[in-house]
Amino acid sequence: DQQVKQNSPSLSVQEGRISILNCDYTNSMFDYFLWYKKYPAEGPTFLISISSIKDKNEDGRFTVFLNKSAKHLSLHIVPSQPGDSAVYFCAASATRLTSGSRLTFGEGTQLTVNP
Amino acid sequence: ETGVTQTPRHLVMGMTNKKSLKCEQHLGHNAMYWYKQSAKKPLELMFVYNFKEQTENNSVPSRFSPECPNSSHLFLHLHTLQPEDSALYLCASGRDSAEAFFGQGTRLTVV
Repeated sequence: DQQVKQNSPSLSVQEGRISILNCDYTNSMFDYFLWYKKYPAEGPTFLISISSIKDKNEDGRFTVFLNKSAKHLSLHIVPSQPGDSAVYFCAASATRLTSGSRLTFGEGTQLTVNP
Repeated sequence: ETGVTQTPRHLVMGMTNKKSLKCEQHLGHNAMYWYKQSAKKPLELMFVYNFKEQTENNSVPSRFSPECPNSSHLFLHLHTLQPEDSALYLCASGRDSAEAFFGQGTRLTVV
């Protein structure tokens, strides 16, 4: 039972354009959502997060949008840069149920930004 | 550099071997985790330790044995593994917030 899904295994965009990565979840108890970036041979690196009390969180070029009614979140990167090329993981947590970072991850989306 | 260090980075072991993975964090975090990433699968949570106490075992086979001697160190003892256990094993640490900080992982190959 895949509670967090990233239906696009890969995405390719031109440098300078917007990258939009999507994530869907099924568990209504999830109340905190995170995006991680992973380069080959490295562990995932925390990128940005959003609590379910918000519908948008912005940090520089990165913005995460949350649509609770649709159980959908997205990560926007604008403008995209070649260094953004990596695998992006969506993760979710039910913080009211568990303490700490019990994260459920999606399968990841490989983003390639072409110069 | 996330402050979470894993050793070794790569490990090849036979099915009858016993080996251990090590994780260390000096971020002052109270929680530590083992995750497994198999090819083309999402990261799967294996174990959770909070203030050295195991709070979660996500139905992991007994051939994987975690040990958390203190809040800064976490081990994963391996014995009689199977080839299908070959994967990237990731350690993470965190506080009470949901963000987890990951190490670089140990790429394990069981032959």
